[in-house]
Amino acid sequence: ILNVEQSPQSLHVQEGDSTNFTCSFPSSNFYALHWYRWETAKSPEALFVMTLNGDEKKKGRISATLNTKEGYSYLYIKGSQPEDSATYLCAFPGGQAGTALIFGKGTTLSVSS
Amino acid sequence: GAVVSQHPSRVICKSGTSVKIECRSLDFQATTMFWYRQFPKQSLMLMATSNEGSKATYEQGVEKDKFLINHASLTLSTLTVTSAHPEDSSFYICSARDLAGDTYEQYFGPGTRLTVT
Repeated sequence: ILNVEQSPQSLHVQEGDSTNFTCSFPSSNFYALHWYRWETAKSPEALFVMTLNGDEKKKGRISATLNTKEGYSYLYIKGSQPEDSATYLCAFPGGQAGTALIFGKGTTLSVSS
Repeated sequence: GAVVSQHPSRVICKSGTSVKIECRSLDFQATTMFWYRQFPKQSLMLMATSNEGSKATYEQGVEKDKFLINHASLTLSTLTVTSAHPEDSSFYICSARDLAGDTYEQYFGPGTRLTVT
């Protein structure tokens, strides 16, 4: 059974703070790791797909790193803004057919102005 | 691009009735679509993988006779909750994988809130 752990479960920061979350996964048989952002009343939105150990990807103020040997990925948000408030999910390929994504429980970020 | 629609967004039905939820990829072809369910304060739980023109692959513990999936075209998959009961009340969300993609990236619909009374 694929075990994807995310921490913290929730986080509250002030506007302008930088923050980061963790996604932990089994390091064996790694293929890819996905990060999604899910805002209330919207569809989950893909942020990054990470495949190589040492990968670092960036989109605006959000970046992510990957360590496949030790089984973790970090998502960083620099200078948080209220519009960053959302649930951030990480996911792995899996499922009975092997083509789906299996999600962690997510980290819910709330940014106050 | 890569827009997935889902209909209806919200439905209330009586116990014992069936409800159909549609998932459409609007600007790309999707041989594979996925159905997830989310319980309060829980993650997205994969229910089944829907393949165009073939039977869906259900995850362990998901009743295939209860949750009927049909993927008749490259842009449409439907989930029918048959003989719905209050315990089926949940948030159902679909996603689609772009036929041209090779990274398992999925595009999600906005979800359907089902309430069974």
